[in-house]
Amino acid sequence: GAVVSQHPSRVICKSGTSVKIECRSLDFQATTMFWYRQFPKQSLMLMATSNEGSKATYEQGVEKDKFLINHASLTLSTLTVTSAHPEDSSFYICSARGTGGSDTEAFFGQGTRLTVV
Amino acid sequence: GQNIDQPTEMTATEGAIVQINCTYQTSGFNGLFWYQQHAGEAPTFLSYNVLDGLEEKGRFSSFLSRSKGYSYLLLKELQMKDSASYLCAVMDSNYQLIWGAGTKLIIKP
Repeated sequence: GAVVSQHPSRVICKSGTSVKIECRSLDFQATTMFWYRQFPKQSLMLMATSNEGSKATYEQGVEKDKFLINHASLTLSTLTVTSAHPEDSSFYICSARGTGGSDTEAFFGQGTRLTVV
Repeated sequence: GQNIDQPTEMTATEGAIVQINCTYQTSGFNGLFWYQQHAGEAPTFLSYNVLDGLEEKGRFSSFLSRSKGYSYLLLKELQMKDSASYLCAVMDSNYQLIWGAGTKLIIKP
């Protein structure tokens, strides 16, 4: 199947700093990318949906100024957690959907475990 | 509102068969997905059903009844490596995935 690479897999940062997470589709063009957050023992929570070249659509309750999403090309989307706080510690997962239409399977990155100390 | 229900946890024995149920109420339906997620890892795609009936893929099968808003994932010949969480997700009329909370499957020797 298609490959989505997410980097870094783990990151520890100090409170108040910013962290950037990259999500790359390696062998297909990702017209839509999704960013999820997952707390321990809970399901995935969709944070935002981004289409290449346009602004991301954020889910209710997600601060767009805190979680900056950029989808500048068909193979790369980034999520920047700005001014991180310990409560932002979580597992962040991206998924990418290709050009086959809205029902095309979305492929997941490996996830990034963020710990804010 | 939109809702996906699946059991929180199930236990089964190595070599046996287990069925994980999922019921859903969503605004529209464009398919149902099953994912496997090991602790600390991203989900892995298992199956996709959009028409009623049974889809078989090796040891795993998935069933869908759209009229009943019901699906199940059937795992045969259970192996210890099958211990994981199994997530049911429905694609609604806006092509957004609505996720269940996941079923933690524990396999005992």
